[in-house]
Amino acid sequence: GENVEQHPSTLSVQEGDSAVIKCTYSDSASNYFPWYKQELGKRPQLIIDIRSNVGEKKDQRIAVTLNKTAKHFSLHITETQPEDSAVYFCAASESDYKLSFGAGTTVTVRA
Amino acid sequence: GAVVSQHPSWVICKSGTSVKIECRSLDFQATTMFWYRQFPKQSLMLMATSNEGSKATYEQGVEKDKFLINHASLTLSTLTVTSAHPEDSSFYICSARALFLLLDSSSYNEQFFGPGTRLTVL
Repeated sequence: GENVEQHPSTLSVQEGDSAVIKCTYSDSASNYFPWYKQELGKRPQLIIDIRSNVGEKKDQRIAVTLNKTAKHFSLHITETQPEDSAVYFCAASESDYKLSFGAGTTVTVRA
Repeated sequence: GAVVSQHPSWVICKSGTSVKIECRSLDFQATTMFWYRQFPKQSLMLMATSNEGSKATYEQGVEKDKFLINHASLTLSTLTVTSAHPEDSSFYICSARALFLLLDSSSYNEQFFGPGTRLTVL
């Protein structure tokens, strides 16, 4: 089955700086890579996703890059704000079906 | 659109009792729903895949007789934790898979998560 590794487990950044979270996956058949933001006690919220036919996708301050050859993808948050503080999960799946999640990254944005 | 609800949002029960959790897709039909379990400060672990009208598919290590799943309609899946024990205390989250059709005739799927159910077994 798919194995997704996520780093770092915790990340503290100064407000306004950038945050980068990296994930690797094992199954070369995976073709869908979403990123979720989860606040304490709440449901995961999809913030951005990328499919294997593109290498980069951007949505305002959030961007995701994908390297299928190396089997890794990354989340980039620019100009971080205190409300960006949360746990972020990467995931991978084949054909938008079962999601395999990374272990999560706790992001703290210091004001 | 694409809202998923769960009920109850939290439940406390005695050891040995059974607890049923409902997952509903409110404004779309979901042929497939997924059940996850999340322990504190950990990731979401897929427990089972629930397909409407057929038996659920359980992940390795998940006891099907303990975690009963019923997907009786296109908008409702239920998870029953039978003979619950303190180690079953966790945050249970469902997701529903929605199909989106685009103008160029292509399509894609996206999962929408429920708000979760906090189960505490005393």
